[in-house]
Amino acid sequence: DAKTTQPPSMDCAEGRAANLPCNHSTISGNEYVYWYRQIHSQGPQYIIHGLKNNETNEMASLIITEDRKSSTLILPHATLRDTAVYYCIVRVVWAGTASKLTFGTGTRLQVML
Amino acid sequence: IAGITQAPTSQILAAGRRMTLRCTQDMRHNAMYWYRQDLGLGLRLIHYSNTAGTTGKGEVPDGYSVSRANTDDFPLTLASAVPSQTSVYFCASSDSSQASEQYFGPGTRLTVT
Repeated sequence: DAKTTQPPSMDCAEGRAANLPCNHSTISGNEYVYWYRQIHSQGPQYIIHGLKNNETNEMASLIITEDRKSSTLILPHATLRDTAVYYCIVRVVWAGTASKLTFGTGTRLQVML
Repeated sequence: IAGITQAPTSQILAAGRRMTLRCTQDMRHNAMYWYRQDLGLGLRLIHYSNTAGTTGKGEVPDGYSVSRANTDDFPLTLASAVPSQTSVYFCASSDSSQASEQYFGPGTRLTVT
């Protein structure tokens, strides 16, 4: 399983872009990069995923380096409601269709006024 | 549409007692999962199910059992609870596509005394 490394915490001013880095230097060619977040006491929430191309949806953008060894999740205009723990996960397929997600300890993003 | 629900929301249980945590999804997802979350350890996969009638072991299966009699329900049973099983338990589901995201329930907070 490819391991991910994230900074334990980051701060961001409200209205500014939040750029959350993730290192996954041992990723293999068929592994996707997923991002989830967990707002206090709630279940994790899917944000975005990608294989090798940059991706954008209504929540965020995902930038994956050309060598795929690292990625950055971008929240373009962070709000207080984006305060959460953000998990970068490299997805491994286990035993058929169920997809095992290995959650690390993530990055705690604090959005401030 | 409720998505994925869990019951109970929280429970205090005496050691040695049997307990079943319930999980139901209405999205007709084939795959379902049980995770536990402990402070400082992130989420760890307990058991999973590719489809109704099949189950598999995750990272920390000892002391837990699951069944998948139908598509919608995926109960988790602690046959004889121990204090180390005090945790927050999350159920999740995903469809069978290769790069599908997982949807999480609100969690069950279990305290074993």
